[in-house]
Amino acid sequence: EVQLVESGGGLVQPGGSLRLSCAASGFTFSSYWMHWVRQAPGKGLVWVSHINSDGSSTNYAESVKGRFTISRDNAKNTLYLQMNSLRAEDTAVYYCTRTDTWGQGTLVTVSS
Amino acid sequence: EIVLTQSPATLSLSPGERAALSCRASQSVSSYLAWYQQKPGQAPRLLIYDASNRATGIPARFSGSGSGTDFILTIGSLEPEDFAVYYCQQRSNWPYTFGQGTKLEIK
Repeated sequence: EVQLVESGGGLVQPGGSLRLSCAASGFTFSSYWMHWVRQAPGKGLVWVSHINSDGSSTNYAESVKGRFTISRDNAKNTLYLQMNSLRAEDTAVYYCTRTDTWGQGTLVTVSS
Repeated sequence: EIVLTQSPATLSLSPGERAALSCRASQSVSSYLAWYQQKPGQAPRLLIYDASNRATGIPARFSGSGSGTDFILTIGSLEPEDFAVYYCQQRSNWPYTFGQGTKLEIK
């Protein structure tokens, strides 16, 4: 069964950092582009970042560029999102996805 | 950035009726458009990719059409489980933007 499981969310103060992980199973992880998408409480979906299959190419939404870093470890079948200089507006459920499969999401709350 | 505008914002229909949801792009996205369904407390589910291709396991009552800037998601005969929020997403240009969503509610 194809599965994506996010972890690493939680409560963090403004200006703080957090690293999200997404463990993949049931498919050849190294063959797929992967994405992070977020959803603020009661709001719509917002694409955050993308990484290609071997990790050599990445893209970011303007709102997170320079603060967030996407990476992957194909040997560990794991996708990451390093989030620095967090702001209140980064509060959201963060999903990892290969577009046809989504994880259950992990909640990040930025608040003092 | 490509802006996707979905209409209507809310659609009130009864089970058995036909639903048509619109997604309009601010510039051409060719056929690189996907549709997702999201129910409360759940992750989105891919319904349609590349404008008209049903994803694995998606019932035949869901169909997508369009190209360029205008797209339609049609649900042939609404089932109770179809009432949810629907999003379109373009995968033509970075950033891969989403529409603001259409809420399909029971009338």
